[in-house]
Amino acid sequence: EAGVAQSPRYKIIEKRQSVAFWCNPISGHATLYWYQQILGQGPKLLIQFQNNGVVDDSQLPKDRFSAERLKGVDSTLKIQPAKLEDSAVYLCASRSDRGFNEKLFFGSGTQLSVL
Amino acid sequence: QKEVEQDPGPLSVPEGAIVSLNCTYSNSAFQYFMWYRQYSRKGPELLMYTYSSGNKEDGRFTAQVDKSSKYISLFIRDSQPSDSATYLCAMTQNDYKLSFGAGTTVTVRA
Repeated sequence: EAGVAQSPRYKIIEKRQSVAFWCNPISGHATLYWYQQILGQGPKLLIQFQNNGVVDDSQLPKDRFSAERLKGVDSTLKIQPAKLEDSAVYLCASRSDRGFNEKLFFGSGTQLSVL
Repeated sequence: QKEVEQDPGPLSVPEGAIVSLNCTYSNSAFQYFMWYRQYSRKGPELLMYTYSSGNKEDGRFTAQVDKSSKYISLFIRDSQPSDSATYLCAMTQNDYKLSFGAGTTVTVRA
């Protein structure tokens, strides 16, 4: 079974620039999550999709962050404009909706450095 | 106060030692408790998952949950260099919205 694919692996930008991250979940997984992991901290949920609808975006800084999941498969997370405090690893995760016992699978993440 | 507090570490132990990792939490509504392992430059992967208070074993790993004290632990017996990683506790009520601890980095010395 192929894992969760993310790109790019690394991105370095200057503050006030924009950046986009891409995620391809495991085939058939209806639920997709974007997490932000700042160095030395645990992952923090930014947004959760069920198919192509948003379930929870309560912790997404909507003035600068946006996310979409077209056709209920791939997803893109965008930051515009970036701030220094956005430096973090952005993790995408997916799971099937067959039941609560279904595992959450994470991608390897995109490491963002904002200079 | 953070919802989930995890012993910060880092921990460095010799090969074969027992590793003990701990988290406390404040939200009594949490029902499901998990431990994730995260290798450097990789995403977290689920290691153990428990629901009720008590112990759960899986090979060299034992997870303990004490809901009355709001305290969970992970023990790794006969630790190996391949166990060197960051261990994250995570918990949720019943909707898979996970609250993570900050992680403890473990190094097992050969």
